[in-house]
Amino acid sequence: GAGVSQSPRYKVAKRGQDVALRCDPISGHVSLFWYQQALGQGPEFLTYFQNEAQLDKSGLPSDRFFAERPEGSVSTLKIQRTQQEDSAVYLCASSQGGTTYYEQYFGPGTRLTVT
Amino acid sequence: AQTVTQSQPEMSVQEAETVTLSCTYDTSESDYYLFWYKQPPSRQMILVIRQEAYKQQNATENRFSVNFQKAAKSFSLKISDSQLGDAAMYFCAYRSSETSGSRLTFGEGTQLTVNP
Repeated sequence: GAGVSQSPRYKVAKRGQDVALRCDPISGHVSLFWYQQALGQGPEFLTYFQNEAQLDKSGLPSDRFFAERPEGSVSTLKIQRTQQEDSAVYLCASSQGGTTYYEQYFGPGTRLTVT
Repeated sequence: AQTVTQSQPEMSVQEAETVTLSCTYDTSESDYYLFWYKQPPSRQMILVIRQEAYKQQNATENRFSVNFQKAAKSFSLKISDSQLGDAAMYFCAYRSSETSGSRLTFGEGTQLTVNP
């Protein structure tokens, strides 16, 4: 089990509920990224961590989105008061180093459906 | 900001034949990376091939090769001897090499069907 894992794989939420999506990166990977992939679209960047530091959160679509990585390994993406437009697949990726040379390895994603 | 465009929403190819997927991008940077990713229905994004912009030689990985035209900002993927397992969504992606931890910018994707 050396890959990136995400849980849950599927999540259905009623509009207005809060959700938390988990990402377990490859052990020892310094960098962690979150992407949002709407149906039929390419992934779009949300946020980036280097160890526990959130260095870029410019892609988060609203202040309802919050991400953390408190110990520099597992990360959680939280969405408060979910809206229908939040329905998407949320992908997590990790890479070994903090420079752009290193490949990003992706998890299987969490499909969020807001009803 | 960088943009990536894939103008072919869908492509199909006969098994054992060759297919080329197109990608263009826009950037003002001189040094960057370009990628092709494959996403099967399982959603796991898999790296197919990678090209460093400073390298003039086109990257190849077994049956997969690219045609990188830096001046034209074009980056196409050629799949030779197509196999049924190649059927998937293919994404072209750009990554700056000028900033640490730079994000990937993806195109809209091309759905590839392989016919037996």
